[in-house]
Parts: sequence; C-alpha cells; structure tokens
Amino acid sequence: NAGVTQTPKFQVLKTGQSMTLQCAQDMNHEYMSWYRQDPGMGLRLIHYSVGAGITDQGEVPNGYNVSRSTTEDFPLRLLSAAPSQTSVYFCASTSTRGDGYTFGSGTRLTVV
Amino acid sequence: EDQVTQSPEALRLQEGESSSLNCSYTVSGLRGLFWYRQDPGKGPEFLFTLYSAGEEKEKERLKATLTKKESFLHITAPKPEDSATYLCAVQDYGGSQGNLIFGKGTKLSVKP
Repeated sequence: NAGVTQTPKFQVLKTGQSMTLQCAQDMNHEYMSWYRQDPGMGLRLIHYSVGAGITDQGEVPNGYNVSRSTTEDFPLRLLSAAPSQTSVYFCASTSTRGDGYTFGSGTRLTVV
Repeated sequence: EDQVTQSPEALRLQEGESSSLNCSYTVSGLRGLFWYRQDPGKGPEFLFTLYSAGEEKEKERLKATLTKKESFLHITAPKPEDSATYLCAVQDYGGSQGNLIFGKGTKLSVKP
C-alpha cells in the first residue's frame, strides 16, 4: 500500500517554464489537496478537490492550475514558473470521514 | 478569520524531561483539530484528531488534549527520536474537508 505518491522529489525550473507536479493515491480517498510549505509561513492550501471532476481554490491559488479526472490522481500545474514559487509542495488525501489526512513525501521546487 | 498559533517556536529538552506544546486556535466552528509530526525532508505524519472539548488521545509518549480555545501536546519522558517539528491544524465547519489551517509548528529537540 503506497499511500500518497508524489513525483518528482526535486525539480529546478527556469523562470517562465511550466511543469506538472504529480500526485497519486491508492487509498480510494475522495478528498485531495495541494499545500506549499515555506520557511516561517507554515503549510498553505493551494487547491483542493472533493471528488473526481470537482476542484476549488485554497488560500494561495494564483499561478497554479489543477484538474481531477480520476479519484486516484490530482496533478498540480505551474503555468509560468516564478521565483516566488520556490517552495516544498505537499499533496494530501483523506476519506470522506476526514480522519487523518495522509501526506506525500513532497516535491522540492526551485525556480531560478 | 481562522487562525492557529503554536508555541513555543522551538523547544529543547533533555531526554526524560517532560513538557507540553501549545496550539491556540480561532475558528467559527471547529470540525476537528489535528496534530502532525514532521521530520526534516519528509511529509507530515498524522498523529491525532480531536473533535470536541475535553477529548484526549494518547500514543506512546504523546498525549493530546483539547479545550474550546487550545490544544496541548504533552510529551512524557521524551527520547531523542521524538525530535521533530510538531504541527497543529484545524478544520472549520464552514470550509470543505480540504481546508486545513496550519500553525507554523514547534521544533522539538531532545538531547540524550
């Protein structure tokens, strides 16, 4: 049972490039979320999904896009990378009961 | 506005020296309060969920308690392997289950 799998683990982008951070879970969880973690800021919600085909914005959505075509996958797209998007990104999922969100191991992104 | 404040920011203990971490919160309606442990370079690891004032949960040397305004994570006779950053998060009834509001964490160091 893999839980929440994020790829890649590390990525360096140039300003203006686009990329997709992958997130997959094998626990049949309905709820999936993307967070970013910055020093001194804590974890902040970017986008979330309550089921396939349904997504919504969190606290810091600008510059990011998401889609949820299957229950298992919730990719995060950076449309045009900026240095301010340098951060560690975490994907998380939970069942509808909302007990104990499971987090992935993170993607460390550097934009130069 | 929902807020979560954790104190202290950092805590250094000697092995066996018990102490408590604080998480104070402001929400319009608390759906749940979550405690996580995060090791360097890894994703948050779920510890506890508390739902109502007076509730307590234990796991090994950790005990979490909840009042209407704050939660405490009590660490009894800590060991060096308890060293980590402990995160507190709340979920508001007004938000989707994707909306966890995190505090900035308490970094715990336990010296042998």
